[in-house]
Amino acid sequence: DAGVTQSPTHLIKTRGQQVTLRCSPKSGHDTVSWYQQALGQGPQFIFQYYEEEERQRGNFPDRFSGHQFPNYSSELNVNALLLGDSALYLCASSLMGVRYSFFGPGTRLTVL
Amino acid sequence: AQKVTQAQTEISVVEKEDVTLDCVYETRDTTYYLFWYKQPPSGELVFLIRRNSFDEQNEISGRYSWNFQKSTSSFNFTITASQVVDSAVYFCALSEAGGGADGLTFGKGTHLIIQP
Repeated sequence: DAGVTQSPTHLIKTRGQQVTLRCSPKSGHDTVSWYQQALGQGPQFIFQYYEEEERQRGNFPDRFSGHQFPNYSSELNVNALLLGDSALYLCASSLMGVRYSFFGPGTRLTVL
Repeated sequence: AQKVTQAQTEISVVEKEDVTLDCVYETRDTTYYLFWYKQPPSGELVFLIRRNSFDEQNEISGRYSWNFQKSTSSFNFTITASQVVDSAVYFCALSEAGGGADGLTFGKGTHLIIQP
């Protein structure tokens, strides 16, 4: 049973570019959440998707957007990248209402 | 607004010592959930425990134990007889119950170093 998978593992972009990160949830899970973890900090909640809709959003600008597909996988898009967007981006999946999440290994984004 | 505070940035102990990681939380909700996650150097967060606000029973799982006290808004984590493999960053997190969505609010983490 595969856990949460994320791609790519690492990514290097330059300021102003756009990036798309991908996540496949653990089998049987229907909810996907995205978190940003800056170096030396705790993860910060970006948003959560359930039934292909954004159900909850953290304190992140509209440059951060997402999508959930019918197979429950999800994408995180970040436009107009800033140096401060450099971080580990973690995807977590869960079953709505069960209230604990499994995390993926993350995508390390570096913005130059 | 919800908040989680982990005042200990880094703790270093010698193997076999007991160590307690502190977590203090703030929330206006009466129903909420508390979590501990472990993040080894590989980066993947590993779930350790979940507690809901109505269950104040302490829990023990092997060398790990958790002490939840609503009166002090604390959810502390103790490792007994620590081992080098326990070295990692540990995060305490909070989720409020409203609306069904359950985004987590994390503390800044405590970097635990177990020296052989």
